[in-house]
Amino acid sequence: DADVTQTPRNRITKTGKRIMLECSQTKGHDRMYWYRQDPGLGLRLIYYSFDVKDINKGEISDGYSVSRQAQAKFSLSLESAIPNQTALYFCATSDANPGTGGRELFFGEGSRLTVL
Amino acid sequence: DAKTTQPPSMDCAEGRAANLPCNHSTISGNEYVYWYRQIHSQGPQYIIHGLKNNETNEMASLIITEDRKSSTLILPHATLRDTAVYYCIVRVRSGNTGKLIFGQGTTLQVKP
Repeated sequence: DADVTQTPRNRITKTGKRIMLECSQTKGHDRMYWYRQDPGLGLRLIYYSFDVKDINKGEISDGYSVSRQAQAKFSLSLESAIPNQTALYFCATSDANPGTGGRELFFGEGSRLTVL
Repeated sequence: DAKTTQPPSMDCAEGRAANLPCNHSTISGNEYVYWYRQIHSQGPQYIIHGLKNNETNEMASLIITEDRKSSTLILPHATLRDTAVYYCIVRVRSGNTGKLIFGQGTTLQVKP
């Protein structure tokens, strides 16, 4: 089983609908992240959380919200989806800041969202 | 965080060493060099990282120049499964985000 699991893997929805992408991890990491990937733009950080009581905005948080329900669960919501939110979304975890002592990010397999 | 420059694409013959270059001329003394790869829209996978010494693990070797302005990722015996986009990233050691700036990366095509 994957250490970082994202659901759903694929979703097609319509403009204005509320969408939730879920992420769960079995690595026991405190830190969790949501990224989106668009062709030609690399990965961009949406939100991140250092523990259950900590939520921080990333580069592109507008139009998104998150919930850290437990250490192992971090959900990303689109309250009213729009077509330019069509992208590949990745959840990631780490047990410390990725630049401290070389701790890396572990990514899920991605959730492909299409907003029509 | 310092920016990186990588060639957009490279080819490598199966079984040969793949040498992927990265320029990071504005790197600061406290910034690590990280390499990740992404195989066809899967989640990025960590490969290796280093500060100033060369590093080796089961996946690859990382050679960092003495002035730290560039580095090379070496896959010693490339296989078809190594075909992927390889990202070179520099990242400060301390800080409080997971903001890894992935850039465009190098698309490595391993050919039979």
